[in-house]
This record gives sequence, C-alpha cells and structure tokens, in this order.
Amino acid sequence: KNQVEQSPQSLIILEGKNCTLQCNYTVSPFSNLRWYKQDTGRGPVSLTIMTFSENTKSNGRYTATLDADTKQSSLHITASQLSDSASYICVVGDRGSTLGRLYFGRGTQLTVWP
Amino acid sequence: EADIYQTPRYLVIGTGKKITLECSQTMGHDKMYWYQQDPGMELHLIHYSYGVNSTEKGDLSSESTVSRIRTEHFPLTLESARPSHTSQYLCASSGETSGIHEQYFGPGTRLTVT
Repeated sequence: KNQVEQSPQSLIILEGKNCTLQCNYTVSPFSNLRWYKQDTGRGPVSLTIMTFSENTKSNGRYTATLDADTKQSSLHITASQLSDSASYICVVGDRGSTLGRLYFGRGTQLTVWP
Repeated sequence: EADIYQTPRYLVIGTGKKITLECSQTMGHDKMYWYQQDPGMELHLIHYSYGVNSTEKGDLSSESTVSRIRTEHFPLTLESARPSHTSQYLCASSGETSGIHEQYFGPGTRLTVT
C-alpha cells in the first residue's frame, strides 16, 4: 500500500532556531518527492520537488534531502521565523500513471514562538 | 503565486441544499483536481480531469460531481448537502515541467453543512 508517514506530528520551536522534519514513504514506483507549506485556511504551496536522482534541494532557508534507497526525506528549516508557522506536507508522486498520482502525508504542524 | 482561484472561500449552508464550488485557473493547464481535506488529515483526491470533457473519480468516494466544459473552469457540485460533507475543498491544476507535473493549489473553500 502506498503510504507517506511524517514525524513529528507537531513541533514548537523558538524563533531563530533550526528544525528538521521527517518523511518516510512506501510509494512505488517512485517518481518524485515534494514538500509543501500550508498556512492555516490556505492551499498548499510548493517548496521543493526532487526526483530519484536528486538527494538535496534548497529553497532559501528550506533544504530538503532525499534518500531513495531508504525511502526517507527530511526538510530542514534554518533560522526559523514567525511566518514559518504552518503545516509542512510531504508528498510523493508515482510514475505508474499518466496522471502523476500524488500521495500526501498528514503534515507536521510547526509553531514558531517569539 | 499561482493563478488559481476558488469561490466562495467560506460557505455555511443547511442540509439538503444544492451547492457549486467554483474553481478557475489562468495558466492554461490541462489537468485539474479536487481534493478534500479534514483538519489534521491528509488531502484525498476526489475528482480529476485530463482536459475538456474529461472527468474521473479519485481515490476517495464522493457524492459530488464535476464538469469540465472549458479548460480554465472546473466546478464541483453537491446536489444535496449533508453534514458529512463538511470539510475543506481544495482545487489544483498542473502543468508539466521536465517530466514532473507541478501542482498548484487554490486557497480552498471551507464548507460547513448544518
């Protein structure tokens, strides 16, 4: 069964600190892995997309890593800001269909305190 | 910022009413999607479309219906709303870049059925 598991479920950090979010998946055949940021009451916004040949990708203070062998990914946020408070969703795409089906994790709810 | 729009953003209606959630995009994307998301849960695909006059049901069974008469427009209709339909509905569209279908999400419609 294709699944995406994220940890921790929620996380509270102080402004300026770094944090790392984890994602494990069982989606096969694997095509790509994405991290989205979803603010409360809004739609998800893409942060990074990685294919199986990429093991790291950065977008400003966000750095995602991918280990396709162990089927794990992480999202590292450096020098956190209050605006980073959001749900971070790991999404894995398969290449078994022309639709490019996506499998979503439940997200990690990050709260940044001043 | 993606050019995909949803209206209304919030809707509270009584049981048995017919409603249509609007979704439009100005990116010329062929593929469009409807997802349902409950608080703290993953997104579930309920409908998708490959293009004009194409509609398919997604992974999650839904009593809603969709239509795709124009490329830019993908409305979702509930003929008779029930409290179990209370949820957030997210519309998305995708275009292909280097073999990856990047999905862009609208801001969502928060539906409450009383």
